[in-house]
Amino acid sequence: GAVVSQHPSWVICKSGTSVKIECRSLDFQATTMFWYRQFPKQSLMLMATSNEGSKATYEQGVEKDKFLINHASLTLSTLTVTSAHPEDSSFYICSARDPGSTEAFFGQGTRLTVV
Amino acid sequence: AQSVAQPEDQVNVAEGNPLTVKCTYSVSGNPYLFWYVQYPNRGLQFLLKYITGDNLVKGSYGFEAEFNKSQTSFHLKKPSALVSDSALYFCAVRDRRAGNMLTFGGGTRLMVKP
Repeated sequence: GAVVSQHPSWVICKSGTSVKIECRSLDFQATTMFWYRQFPKQSLMLMATSNEGSKATYEQGVEKDKFLINHASLTLSTLTVTSAHPEDSSFYICSARDPGSTEAFFGQGTRLTVV
Repeated sequence: AQSVAQPEDQVNVAEGNPLTVKCTYSVSGNPYLFWYVQYPNRGLQFLLKYITGDNLVKGSYGFEAEFNKSQTSFHLKKPSALVSDSALYFCAVRDRRAGNMLTFGGGTRLMVKP
């Protein structure tokens, strides 16, 4: 199947700093990518849909200014957690769908810990 | 609106026994249905999908799932469980008319004991 690479796999940062997470589609072009957040022992919560060349579409309750999404190319979307706080600590996962496939493929996930 | 329900938080099975992980869904149109598996601190791995055709679909690692339109179910099954199957399993649905958005169930933790 198609490969989606997410980096970093884990990061620890101090409160108030910003963290950038990258999501790349390695062998296909993705006009749309998705960013999810997963709390321990819970399902994935869709945060936003990242659209290449245009603004991201955020789900209700997700702060646009806090979770900045940029989809500057057909193979790269980034999620920047700005002014991070301990409550932002979570597992973040991106996904993309190869236009030639019906299923979505997921990155490895990023465990963010804000101290 | 589309939704997915996985009624069991956890399923316990002895190694070698058959396993079933339940999933029911709700969509306004015809669904695409998926099963994914997640190992600790990892992303989701695609297991199998139902798009159209035969109601019994076979996927990776010996897993299969049966699409039942009348019961709006898509239960995941495996004839003989392995300890290495222990993981978190997610059922997901996509309405064919609703674009790219996937909706996930709450997840079911499968524990296979030796």
